[in-house]
Amino acid sequence: AQSVTQLGSHVSVSEGALVLLRCNYSSSVPPYLFWYVQYPNQGLQLLLKYTSAATLVKGINGFEAEFKKSETSFHLTKPSAHMSDAAEYFCAVIGRGGSEKLVFGKGTKLTVNP
Amino acid sequence: ETGVTQSPTHLIKTRGQQVTLRCSSQSGHNTVSWYQQALGQGPQFIFQYYREEENGRGNFPPRFSGLQFPNYSSELNVNALELDDSALYLCASSLAAVNSHEQYFGPGTRLTVT
Repeated sequence: AQSVTQLGSHVSVSEGALVLLRCNYSSSVPPYLFWYVQYPNQGLQLLLKYTSAATLVKGINGFEAEFKKSETSFHLTKPSAHMSDAAEYFCAVIGRGGSEKLVFGKGTKLTVNP
Repeated sequence: ETGVTQSPTHLIKTRGQQVTLRCSSQSGHNTVSWYQQALGQGPQFIFQYYREEENGRGNFPPRFSGLQFPNYSSELNVNALELDDSALYLCASSLAAVNSHEQYFGPGTRLTVT
């Protein structure tokens, strides 16, 4: 069964600093991987997805993530944090071969300090 | 192109009551998935419907049931509400059931059970 682990339930950075949110996956087959963002009292917005086309994936709002099979990781990064990036971020996985559900991590709350 | 919409936005029910939540899929999408997000947690898969048939179910009891209509709108019904059912309920639409690897989420319905 697929699963994801997000390291760090809270991450705090200064405005302009590097953002690094960690995600490790467990899957018996190469998965599809996603990062979603959730702003307070809102639904989930897709930031980016990995579907095997390229290991470095660029998403919206300047975010990107790199799929590393050897490390079973899919960490999310942004070179320079902005105040508007403050939100909760979820890593999720879908297995290939017919699995129909997204399996989410517990989330990482990002705080950006001025 | 309209996005995924959900109604109502907020709902307060009493333990033992029944509730119906509604979702309108993104135009052209034939698959809908429902997720429960408890406070401070990642979303948990409830079930998925594809062309009006249930296409997968998570670890939720039978008192959680659903419907998908010919126009691909959907309902989530919960009977005999319990306090632990208090959560944000999210629906997500996508284009195909197999490898539905891009799901678009609505804003959610916040259910409070007292």
